[in-house]
Amino acid sequence: DAGVIQSPRHEVTEMGQEVTLRCKPISGHNSLFWYRQTMMRGLELLIYFNNNVPIDDSGMPEDRFSAKMPNASFSTLKIQPSEPRDSAVYFCASSPFRSSGNTIYFGEGSWLTVV
Amino acid sequence: ILNVEQSPQSLHVQEGDSTNFTCSFPSSNFYALHWYRWETAKSPEALFVMTLNGDEKKKGRISATLNTKEGYSYLYIKGSQPEDSATYLCAFYSGGGADGLTFGKGTHLIIQP
Repeated sequence: DAGVIQSPRHEVTEMGQEVTLRCKPISGHNSLFWYRQTMMRGLELLIYFNNNVPIDDSGMPEDRFSAKMPNASFSTLKIQPSEPRDSAVYFCASSPFRSSGNTIYFGEGSWLTVV
Repeated sequence: ILNVEQSPQSLHVQEGDSTNFTCSFPSSNFYALHWYRWETAKSPEALFVMTLNGDEKKKGRISATLNTKEGYSYLYIKGSQPEDSATYLCAFYSGGGADGLTFGKGTHLIIQP
């Protein structure tokens, strides 16, 4: 299996621009997670989908952030408008299980820099 | 807010030496404790998922122990090699409707040849 695939791997954008990050989970996995990694706060859960339905979006920082999962093989995380403090590594992860009590599988991350 | 602490924050170890570091987590509402290994620009890789108090797991030269009553886990690396250089992340899962993992900030391990 190809694993969790994220794109773009790297993005540099100007403040105020819209950013869209994409994720293809491992086939057959019905749970999908978006995490954000920063030096100050470590890895934080942004949103969790199960069977394409958002279950917990309490970690989404503010209204500028939105996430969708239109089907079982694709999810997007959008930031509009972007700000310099959004600079971070954004990880997508998937799991064949309903909960995080078992292993979850990460993509390689999307490295975002907002200038 | 769940508090997951890892120490030390960074660690330099001579090649061939053994080392260990700590993850502390809430001792109540425990469901699982995960360890991941993350090399920059790669995917965090799952090492262990531990659920039972007293659990010990091993993968090659890396092993981990779990004490859920006092809320800590140790990760041990025996005979460190340069390829062990990475950030080691632990993550706590409480179950009970909280579906995401709460991660520590990691221990950044550098093995010096």
